[in-house]
Amino acid sequence: AQSVAQPEDQVNVAEGNPLTVKCTYSVSGNPYLFWYVQYPNRGLQFLLKYITGDNLVKGSYGFEAEFNKSQTSFHLKKPSALVSDSALYFCAVRDGSGGFKTIFGAGTRLFVKA
Amino acid sequence: DADVTQTPRNRITKTGKRIMLECSQTKGHDRMYWYRQDPGLGLRLIYYSFDVKDINKGEISDGYSVSRQAQAKFSLSLESAIPNQTALYFCATSDSTVTNTGELFFGEGSRLTVL
Repeated sequence: AQSVAQPEDQVNVAEGNPLTVKCTYSVSGNPYLFWYVQYPNRGLQFLLKYITGDNLVKGSYGFEAEFNKSQTSFHLKKPSALVSDSALYFCAVRDGSGGFKTIFGAGTRLFVKA
Repeated sequence: DADVTQTPRNRITKTGKRIMLECSQTKGHDRMYWYRQDPGLGLRLIYYSFDVKDINKGEISDGYSVSRQAQAKFSLSLESAIPNQTALYFCATSDSTVTNTGELFFGEGSRLTVL
């Protein structure tokens, strides 16, 4: 069965500092991994994905994520946080070996302080 | 205009009432989904549909039903609403083409409160 864990309910970071939002996953086949962001009173927006290839993937708004197969992790990173990055972030996994369901983590709330 | 539109955006109702949440999309995607978001639980899949004649239960389908009226329309019904169905509901779509990697496109959400 697929599962996603986001171990931190909340991450606090100062503007200009690097940020990391953690995610670990479990899937029986090939992992397709995604990050989504949710701003207040809005739907989820796709940020980036890992399907295959380079372990470091780049996405929207300067975000990137690193796929680590041995640690089954897909942490979201940004070199320099902005106040406008404050939002709820969801990690998600899909079984790329024929699965169709996308399973979401519980979400991590990011607060960036000016 | 939004690619995935949900109506209503907010609804307050009473226990036992029938409620319908509607979703329409202009993305031309064949796959549509209904998710429920609860604080601390992330998003959980209620129902999904891969085409007009295909309806499938997700993780938490009890107490819900759906209808796929057309490729672009997918509605969620609560036949007899109960307070623990108070949540934020999202409709999403995805593309089933060969190159599809499964990213979902979401509506703005429908906040339902059952008193």
